[in-house]
Amino acid sequence: NAGVTQTPKFQVLKTGQSMTLQCAQDMNHEYMSWYRQDPGMGLRLIHYSVGAGITDQGEVPNGYNVSRSTTEDFPLRLLSAAPSQTSVYFCASSGPNTGLPVDAFFGQGTRLTVV
Amino acid sequence: SQQGEEDPQALSIQEGENATMNCSYKTSINNLQWYRQNSGRGLVHLILIRSNEREKHSGRLRVTLDTSKKSSSLLITASRAADTASYFCATSDSWGKLQFGAGTQVVVTP
Repeated sequence: NAGVTQTPKFQVLKTGQSMTLQCAQDMNHEYMSWYRQDPGMGLRLIHYSVGAGITDQGEVPNGYNVSRSTTEDFPLRLLSAAPSQTSVYFCASSGPNTGLPVDAFFGQGTRLTVV
Repeated sequence: SQQGEEDPQALSIQEGENATMNCSYKTSINNLQWYRQNSGRGLVHLILIRSNEREKHSGRLRVTLDTSKKSSSLLITASRAADTASYFCATSDSWGKLQFGAGTQVVVTP
């Protein structure tokens, strides 16, 4: 089925470990983004990309890296996990910037716990 | 800081009643979107209203937008138990970059 696929769905890391959260979409969307959601809060933008080879920081980028080598994939890397990064992570994609409003498609989320 | 802020933070109603929640934002927008999130799940897009629109309907949903007040409201009519969820507003620029509010948690009891 078309959509946004995130892996893994659950992950437990030890403080200091690194890992990559995967995100893939098959809708040929230009725009992809990563959010984190903490209890009682809305989603906060970590990093986003407006196309292959182009990335930029969002509201809470520290401790995370991204790259966009293909249109389909937008992995999020945690360089050295910290307990403060315990959260639920969502990847989203949306269509080309034609100047018309577009709605975003979200993955099912990755629940990350850092101990 | 978050762009949108929802009010109220929580809402408890009975089936058949209407649920209204509000969203305020800070900067100019291209469009405003409402999403639903069921517990432990991803977000589902509900409705999008453009900055030059004032009202939009979709099924039992009615959204208004007042750009002069930088506010929007979401009305769910004749609520059902299945409407129990968190509802988020998100403002969007022309690229689709979204900024979310903290959400309104709605509980609909039978």
